[in-house]
Amino acid sequence: AQTVTQSQPEMSVQEAETVTLSCTYDTSENNYYLFWYKQPPSRQMILVIRQEAYKQQNATENRFSVNFQKAAKSFSLKISDSQLGDTAMYFCAFIPYSGGGADGLTFGKGTHLIIQP
Amino acid sequence: DVKVTQSSRYLVKRTGEKVFLECVQDMDHENMFWYRQDPGLGLRLIYFSYDVKMKEKGDIPEGYSVSREKKERFSLILESASTNQTSMYLCASSFQTGGADEKLFFGSGTQLSVL
Repeated sequence: AQTVTQSQPEMSVQEAETVTLSCTYDTSENNYYLFWYKQPPSRQMILVIRQEAYKQQNATENRFSVNFQKAAKSFSLKISDSQLGDTAMYFCAFIPYSGGGADGLTFGKGTHLIIQP
Repeated sequence: DVKVTQSSRYLVKRTGEKVFLECVQDMDHENMFWYRQDPGLGLRLIYFSYDVKMKEKGDIPEGYSVSREKKERFSLILESASTNQTSMYLCASSFQTGGADEKLFFGSGTQLSVL
């Protein structure tokens, strides 16, 4: 069974600062995907970024980037030039490559990120 | 755009009632999921389905059942609602790929209160 751990229940930074959210996971799988999802107050889950475990290059999406350390089983999210609209719950999630995705994602408990004006 | 629609945004029920939460997706996805979201606990998988009439238990299936009679619709059933089932329920769907496009699409959630 997989587990995903987010050790920061809540974080608060000033607008325009850079913030890093941490995530570690435990699995015996070799091929898998990792995700960061954002859930703003509207409750709609939004995919922020995805990383394939077989890719060494860290994924980036505009102001969002990840630091993927496969050996350490670590997958942190960096948000640069943070904006008020980044205020949300952030969930780290894992899915093994095998099974066609039918088993669903395993989620961490979330980090509540607050961007202060 | 993919749309996953949950029939109710807010729902209030009484203890012992039978409750149906409905979810419909419009992208012909094979996989559908029901998660429960509680503060400090994240999202936990209740049940999932990888095909019509197929269902599998997730991590916390006790007190719940599901139905998938049609590919686009996945229902979560609380046979006899209890106060500890007060929670936010999220439905999700995905293609059965296991490939580079792997990701879940979520509905906007149903906040269920059991009194």
